[in-house]
Amino acid sequence: NAGVMQNPRHLVRRRGQEARLRCSPMKGHSHVYWYRQLPEEGLKFMVYLQKENIIDESGMPKERFSAEFPKEGPSILRIQQVVRGDSAAYFCASSPSGPRTDTQYFGPGTRLTVL
Amino acid sequence: QKEVEQNSGPLSVPEGAIASLNCTYSDRGSQSFFWYRQYSGKSPELIMFIYSNGDKEDGRFTAQLNKASQYVSLLIRDSQPSDSATYLCAVNRGGSQGNLIFGKGTKLSVKP
Repeated sequence: NAGVMQNPRHLVRRRGQEARLRCSPMKGHSHVYWYRQLPEEGLKFMVYLQKENIIDESGMPKERFSAEFPKEGPSILRIQQVVRGDSAAYFCASSPSGPRTDTQYFGPGTRLTVL
Repeated sequence: QKEVEQNSGPLSVPEGAIASLNCTYSDRGSQSFFWYRQYSGKSPELIMFIYSNGDKEDGRFTAQLNKASQYVSLLIRDSQPSDSATYLCAVNRGGSQGNLIFGKGTKLSVKP
């Protein structure tokens, strides 16, 4: 499967626990984006990363949320001390390098439920 | 004013008809425009992108862009029940790469 991969597909956490969401970009893509979609809401940009660099984190909440895209391995979105309001679908997208780098392809998403 | 605005619908069309979906955006610096289809419970699927004023056709889909009016549309010809989904309009934030702003989507229902 050459598409964007995300795991886990479903994640249940209790309030106060940590959630780690993983994303492997499409083969040949070096740009990764994370979005959040709340029920009945639109997709909201969170962060844009390249290998070992955060390019734009203007959509990330200031506390508890962090993201990385290491030299080796998948991109990780980490949510510390989760609260019920973090329950949402988290989508990762990837894009190729070059002039059309904003043409993004989405993974299947991780549905986070906070109890 | 919302950054990317779409009529939430639902838009209902009979099978075989043309479905017309519209989107307006507020950032005059935006250069890239996208249409995604999202089935319930699934992830967004890229179906069209357009960068220049005018029309762009791909199979049954035509995207139309008018930067002067800050308006982008998607036409679906010969609509099929399988086209029933929510259609998301996305626009890049002017001056930045990668940061796409999404509308809330228009729910399309194609009746057999």
